[in-house]
Amino acid sequence: QKEVEQNSGPLSVPEGAIASLNCTYSDRGSQSFFWYRQYSGKSPELIMFIYSNGDKEDGRFTAQLNKASQYVSLLIRDSQPSDSATYLCAVSQSTGNQFYFGTGTSLTVIP
Amino acid sequence: DAGVIQSPRHEVTEMGQEVTLRCKPISGHDYLFWYRQTMMRGLELLIYFNNNVPIDDSGMPEDRFSAKMPNASFSTLKIQPSEPRDSAVYFCGAGSGNTIYFGEGSWLTVV
Repeated sequence: QKEVEQNSGPLSVPEGAIASLNCTYSDRGSQSFFWYRQYSGKSPELIMFIYSNGDKEDGRFTAQLNKASQYVSLLIRDSQPSDSATYLCAVSQSTGNQFYFGTGTSLTVIP
Repeated sequence: DAGVIQSPRHEVTEMGQEVTLRCKPISGHDYLFWYRQTMMRGLELLIYFNNNVPIDDSGMPEDRFSAKMPNASFSTLKIQPSEPRDSAVYFCGAGSGNTIYFGEGSWLTVV
């Protein structure tokens, strides 16, 4: 399995703060990068994907990719208690190919 | 979720018994994935299919595991004989591009 590393946390931030989640990957052939959110007892759901170096913003979420450093991150602005979940980083070598997941970072947003 | 249906949702079985997990993927999605999730190892890719054909089964733990996709609307993952270390949540996912839509998972406990 391709190696995808995440800090397991738990990460705690106060409501309204910025949460920063990080992920590194070992396969330089990785081309597509994804962030999934998983609530306790539920299945993972896609938040964002990014293919190119730089930032990609979607509402309160920003994904950042640095292929040279093999690093991808997710920023959550104005964190809400409803953001409390486990966030999974996934990488894929090409569209439609197998996806490899990290073990996830647990985030708690404190009201 | 986006319509992937898995059954059973929960199963408790005795060591040595055969377990069959079922998945009905979303129509129009060419890829079907089977993942296993545990606290220790996270989401592990077991096998994936493209247009009903198994593409990569290198993640299948051992010969006790087998998966089939006889048609585009049905897939099974079988464990025979089951062992306590097989206890996990098994997710089926369907994809056709840059994402995977997961079912709600099958929670398996082998005692």
